[in-house]
Amino acid sequence: EAGVTQFPSHSVIEKGQTVTLRCDPISGHDNLYWYRRVMGKEIKFLLHFVKESKQDESGMPNNRFLAERTGGTYSTLKVQPAELEDSGVYFCASSQEPTRAGWSDIQYFGAGTRLSVL
Amino acid sequence: GQNIDQPTEMTATEGAIVQINCTYQTSGFNGLFWYQQHAGEAPTFLSYNVLDGLEEKGRFSSFLSRSKGYSYLLLKELQMKDSASYLCAVRPGFNDYKLSFGAGTTVTVRA
Repeated sequence: EAGVTQFPSHSVIEKGQTVTLRCDPISGHDNLYWYRRVMGKEIKFLLHFVKESKQDESGMPNNRFLAERTGGTYSTLKVQPAELEDSGVYFCASSQEPTRAGWSDIQYFGAGTRLSVL
Repeated sequence: GQNIDQPTEMTATEGAIVQINCTYQTSGFNGLFWYQQHAGEAPTFLSYNVLDGLEEKGRFSSFLSRSKGYSYLLLKELQMKDSASYLCAVRPGFNDYKLSFGAGTTVTVRA
């Protein structure tokens, strides 16, 4: 079974440009999450999808970030225009919906996209 | 806000035992997770605790005390491949799926 895959693995762009990150969750996982880790800091939550709906976007830093999950499968995270402080590693994770007692909602992570804004 | 603390670095010898502590102060609690992350790779799930006590899984064990806001991850019979970053994460609420992470503990295993 394929894990969570993210593309690209690394992106280098100039300030003011646009970048789109893609995440393919584990097949059958309705929950999809975006997280970000900036240099020297902890991983922080950005956004949570349930299927194609945004369940929680409380972590999105500002309106330069736009996440979509059309059709409830893969997701994209677009940064437009990119600023220097957007540099970091962007992680995607997915998990199943609860189906039984004792569900633990294990989130499975991708390897991340390292974004460098120059 | 959420506050999750864990040591920055730990060093141990191959074959030894290392205990990584994690303390948390969060708005709510519905589970604590430990992940292992090798450099440049995905964080991988190690353990989950939601009730007080010890969960054992092979060479790895995790303990939780909800009243103390405290957990630890115990790594036994250390191997060189255990050199990695270990992340403590808390899920704050039952209908709140997002994880709050500590900054991670880098464990270096020496021969």
